[in-house]
Amino acid sequence: KNQVEQSPQSLIILEGKNCTLQCNYTVSPFSNLRWYKQDTGRGPVSLTIMTFSENTKSNGRYTATLDADTKQSSLHITASQLSDSASYICVVSARDFGNEKLTFGTGTRLTIIP
Amino acid sequence: EAQVTQNPRYLITVTGKKLTVTCSQNMNHEYMSWYRQDPGLGLRQIYYSMNVEVTDKGDVPEGYKVSRKEKRNFPLILESPSPNQTSLYFCASSSHGAGPGTDTQYFGPGTRLTVL
Repeated sequence: KNQVEQSPQSLIILEGKNCTLQCNYTVSPFSNLRWYKQDTGRGPVSLTIMTFSENTKSNGRYTATLDADTKQSSLHITASQLSDSASYICVVSARDFGNEKLTFGTGTRLTIIP
Repeated sequence: EAQVTQNPRYLITVTGKKLTVTCSQNMNHEYMSWYRQDPGLGLRQIYYSMNVEVTDKGDVPEGYKVSRKEKRNFPLILESPSPNQTSLYFCASSSHGAGPGTDTQYFGPGTRLTVL
């Protein structure tokens, strides 16, 4: 069964500090991995998308890494801001016979405090 | 502005009263999908559509129906809602019919449904 596990479940850090969120997956056959940001009460917004051949992708202060051998990904946030307070969701895609199947993690709830 | 819209945003209803949640996108996307999000669970796919008149079940389709008569619209229908369908619902779209692939998947703002 395809699974995506994220850690920690929640995290509180001071404004300006860095943090790293983790994603482990057992999804096959792997197609790509996405990170989304979801503000409270709103729809997820795409941050990064990485294929098998990519091991890092940046979007401003967000940097995602992918180790396809160990089936792990991380999302690093640099110099956090209050607006980074949100849930961060890891999504892994499997593609089989042309059809794509997304498996969502349960997210990490990040709170930035002043 | 590229967007996915959903209506209504909030809905409280009673068991058994049929309802429809609308979803519309203005990006000429082929692929559209409905998800539900419940506390402690990841988003789960209800139904998806690869193009007009092409729909298929996702992971949790029981109790739901969909239709795709026009490319831009993908309504979610609950024929006889039950309390276990109380949830936060999201519609999403992406360019290609085979699925998001490496395309950006755009999500709507969500519809919070309560079934009493």
